[in-house]
Amino acid sequence: GAVVSQHPSWVICKSGTSVKIECRSLDFQATTMFWYRQFPKQSLMLMATSNEGSKATYEQGVEKDKFLINHASLTLSTLTVTSAHPEDSSFYICSAPPGLGRNYEQYFGPGTRLTVT
Amino acid sequence: AQTVTQSQPEMSVQEAETVTLSCTYDTSESDYYLFWYKQPPSRQMILVIRQEAYKQQNATENRFSVNFQKAAKSFSLKISDSQLGDAAMYFCAYRRLYGNKLVFGAGTILRVKS
Repeated sequence: GAVVSQHPSWVICKSGTSVKIECRSLDFQATTMFWYRQFPKQSLMLMATSNEGSKATYEQGVEKDKFLINHASLTLSTLTVTSAHPEDSSFYICSAPPGLGRNYEQYFGPGTRLTVT
Repeated sequence: AQTVTQSQPEMSVQEAETVTLSCTYDTSESDYYLFWYKQPPSRQMILVIRQEAYKQQNATENRFSVNFQKAAKSFSLKISDSQLGDAAMYFCAYRRLYGNKLVFGAGTILRVKS
């Protein structure tokens, strides 16, 4: 099946700094990618939909100035957590369908664990 | 808006036995997709099974099968001959017919006892 990678898999940063997480589709082009946030033993919460060549669409309650999303190419979307604080510590997951339409599944990246100290 | 409810936060099953995980959903649409995803300790999301709402036949994938009751908006997952590797968090998810957004339930942690 299609492969989605994330980098880094684990990152520790200091409070007030910014951190960038990459999501890549390795063997397909993705015009759309999704970013999720997951707390321990909880469900995936959709943060935003990343659209290649255009602005991301954020879910209600997600601060777009804090979670910057850029989808500069058909294989790469980035999530930048700006001015990170300890409450931003979480597991971030991206996913992408290999095409648009009813028959395309989403493929998930392995996730990135962010710890803000 | 669509919602997905998983009312069992945790379940346990003895190895080699059968367990059923429950899921209900709410939608006003007539055609849609339903999924069960597995998230093992590695936290990689793995698609277990998919059901198209317009298909009356319940989906089956080896030891995994679903009981899809469209009128009741119920979509349970049955795992037969449970194995230690089945231990994971399981998520039920809904997707509109056209569109790629998934709506997830809260998840059920499945523990498998040897």
